[in-house]
Amino acid sequence: EPEVTQTPSHQVTQMGQEVILRCVPISNHLYFYWYRQILGQKVEFLVSFYNNEISEKSEIFDDQFSVERPDGSNFTLKIRSTKLEDSAMYFCARQGIAGANVLTFGAGSRLTVL
Amino acid sequence: QQPVQSPQAVILREGEDAVINCSSSKALYSVHWYRQKHGEAPVFLMILLKGGEQKGHEKISASFNEKKQQSSLYLTASQLSYSGTYFCGTEINDYKLSFGAGTTVTVRA
Repeated sequence: EPEVTQTPSHQVTQMGQEVILRCVPISNHLYFYWYRQILGQKVEFLVSFYNNEISEKSEIFDDQFSVERPDGSNFTLKIRSTKLEDSAMYFCARQGIAGANVLTFGAGSRLTVL
Repeated sequence: QQPVQSPQAVILREGEDAVINCSSSKALYSVHWYRQKHGEAPVFLMILLKGGEQKGHEKISASFNEKKQQSSLYLTASQLSYSGTYFCGTEINDYKLSFGAGTTVTVRA
């Protein structure tokens, strides 16, 4: 059973459309992360989220991105107006071992912007 | 802030050894190693904390030289299952893990 479930597994959208990617951690954790991986490239940090607030964000995480934990369970990444270069695999991750930043990744959501 | 990995790619025959290096220009709190199989999410292998320790996972081990801000991952007697892309992740604070560009390892029979 996966510890972090992401939906959708694949989404195709038109440029300019809004996209919401969802992440459901099984256990009750406080630390969550979103990472992005453009095909064939490295895994890039987007944002970390602790206790329902953004802890840190990268330069990639500009005004078109937002994160929320609307119901205390689901953890969402919203991209307001998608661009072609947003096409990537988006991974949600939760912190594992207490006191160490070990990440458990979800299977990822592949976003294709046309 | 992103660590630098080398080499970019390595091809091995089963049973051969390889070393992957990871270095940072910043003082590090810890170094992580993850492996990603094609089409899958990265999977945690091991974490090395400050103190120059060495850890192992099956025949995969790693070292962390805190003074040089460097870590090396050692693949010993490689198996076909070791194929994948290996990422080192460096932790500078509690809220962010930055990954290197990855090293693609191909193990052939």
